[in-house]
Amino acid sequence: GAVVSQHPSWVICKSGTSVKIECRSLDFQATTMFWYRQFPKQSLMLMATSNEGSKATYEQGVEKDKFLINHASLTLSTLTVTSAHPEDSSFYICSARVDRDYEQYFGPGTRLTVT
Amino acid sequence: GQNIDQPTEMTATEGAIVQINCTYQTSGFNGLFWYQQHAGEAPTFLSYNVLDGLEEKGRFSSFLSRSKGYSYLLLKELQMKDSASYLCAVRDGNYQLIWGAGTKLIIKP
Repeated sequence: GAVVSQHPSWVICKSGTSVKIECRSLDFQATTMFWYRQFPKQSLMLMATSNEGSKATYEQGVEKDKFLINHASLTLSTLTVTSAHPEDSSFYICSARVDRDYEQYFGPGTRLTVT
Repeated sequence: GQNIDQPTEMTATEGAIVQINCTYQTSGFNGLFWYQQHAGEAPTFLSYNVLDGLEEKGRFSSFLSRSKGYSYLLLKELQMKDSASYLCAVRDGNYQLIWGAGTKLIIKP
């Protein structure tokens, strides 16, 4: 149980285009989903926290107009990187939890390369 | 501020035992997690401690001392596949996860 999927697993896009990444909890309902970014050889960096049906809470320094997060249902959250640039190339990982007393379950990650 | 410290890198020999330490200073405490992350992959959950003491799960054990703000992850009978980064994360008083930078564990034959 507690499986989280992400799609796509990797994507290459051109500078200036937008990319949407989906995160799904397959066998549980996630009241909260998290989006992380990880650059090579660095630790996880939390980008935003989203609760189903409400606006995401972004961490300091993360542009909410650039990284659009939608958490429309208890099993799906999406991250859209708008007007992507090469510096946005990174490993994006989502995680989900049932409620605050449970651990976070991670998706397999999406590797984004912007050319 | 909130802070989690763990060694950047450790090396151990296949078949041996290694202990990865984690110290933390957070605003409140609601549990400590250890995750394993292989290169290019997402983290996977290893253990959770909220009370003082040792939690054993197969070859892996995790210890917590809340009064000392200290935890360790103990890996026994090391295998080559244990080469990975090990992330310590603390859930603070607001139930936010604060992440350590991770310890890269290198296993040598």
